Amino acid sequence: EIGLTQSPATLSASPGERATLSCRASQSLRSNLAWYQQKPGQAPRLLIYGTSTRATGVPARFSGSGSETEFTLTISSLQSEDFAVYYCQQYNHWPPGSFGQGTKVEI
Amino acid sequence: QVQLVESGGGLVKPGGSLRLSCAASGFAFSNSYMAWLRQAPVKGLELLAYINDNSRYTNYADSVRGRFTISRDNAKNSLFLEMNSLTAEDSAVYFCATLAFSGSFYDHWGQGTLVTVSS
Repeated sequence: EIGLTQSPATLSASPGERATLSCRASQSLRSNLAWYQQKPGQAPRLLIYGTSTRATGVPARFSGSGSETEFTLTISSLQSEDFAVYYCQQYNHWPPGSFGQGTKVEI
Repeated sequence: QVQLVESGGGLVKPGGSLRLSCAASGFAFSNSYMAWLRQAPVKGLELLAYINDNSRYTNYADSVRGRFTISRDNAKNSLFLEMNSLTAEDSAVYFCATLAFSGSFYDHWGQGTLVTVSS
């Protein structure tokens, strides 16, 4: 199974700041990586797929980049509603299509 | 507007059974591949099973194969997960989700239902 390592585990930031989240894979994923946002008590919400394509309704401040084994989710200017846990998911080897352990973005 | 609503979770004793349901609306359910995933505090998010649009194909994670059964009723826009021989390790929040047409990621999720296995 492909391992996904997300870093940092927790990112402390202030509204208006830029946030950079990392997801590293144990094998090449080509561009088959998605990002999700999860707020407490809610389901994950798809943000990005295909490494860099924003899902419907996702604000432009969210962007994804990377390839092969190194991927990044960038939030250009944090808004209060962006404080949440973010997960990456690989689907190059699916099923099972593993998830990372998450990065918590907190104030 | 896509809506997925899970139900059927609760407290069950080890060795017991539960049947989860997921009511779907706002999209072409009968054309969609569907999946059940769960989220436990230590193990994180995990795909359990998926089913194709006409129920001809199902697939299971090793951790649940032989104990869990995924099924669907396209006439009722409903997805199900029959869970047997439950253990404490099955305690988690269970989500139903749609599989995207453009790849094996999940573009819509339900709010989840909590399953607790404890004596």
